[in-house]
Amino acid sequence: GIQVEQSPPDLILQEGANSTLRCNFSDSVNNLQWFHQNPWGQLINLFYIPSGTKQNGRLSATTVATERYSLLYISSSQTTDSGVYFCAVFLGNSGGSNYKLTFGKGTLLTVNP
Amino acid sequence: ETGVTQTPRHLVMGMTNKKSLKCEQHLGHNAMYWYKQSAKKPLELMFVYSLEERVENNSVPSRFSPECPNSSHLFLHLHTLQPEDSALYLCASSQLSNSPLHFGNGTRLTVT
Repeated sequence: GIQVEQSPPDLILQEGANSTLRCNFSDSVNNLQWFHQNPWGQLINLFYIPSGTKQNGRLSATTVATERYSLLYISSSQTTDSGVYFCAVFLGNSGGSNYKLTFGKGTLLTVNP
Repeated sequence: ETGVTQTPRHLVMGMTNKKSLKCEQHLGHNAMYWYKQSAKKPLELMFVYSLEERVENNSVPSRFSPECPNSSHLFLHLHTLQPEDSALYLCASSQLSNSPLHFGNGTRLTVT
């Protein structure tokens, strides 16, 4: 079946530290997205990144589709970065519909002051 | 500020009540989604509307009834729910197919 695995499941950092979150998937992807869910439940789309590298401020993401993984980098972490980070993928090599996105279980990040 | 607005933010209802969740998107998207997020479970897709037509219904019980009157509005009508339906219900929108999903703030539903 479809496999989307995120690691680590939990991560605790001191403010200012850097971190790398990983998303492994079991098949080709045409659609991969990273989300941040804050402690109040709001889900924010961070990156739409089925391949390549993108950067947005202190965050960057890289997807290596041929090796079936994506990485989310957080640099100089802040307490507001706390929350759960999800990756979601559409596994398949035709189309890339949002209708078939499979979410991972997430990485719970806690950034302490 | 989110381009997808959900109301109410919190809802407590009894098992015999009827209530509705509302979602409105201001992003000009043509697809809207309902997701359910229960504790310790991945997000589950419930319904998808594309160009106001329902295109996906992931074996959701009939006590959940979606409605999409136009491309900007989506409702989830609830009736005779069970306590295990308590969860965070999230609305999202996107352009069709490959494009970023944008979520609302969610409605935290408690069924007593």
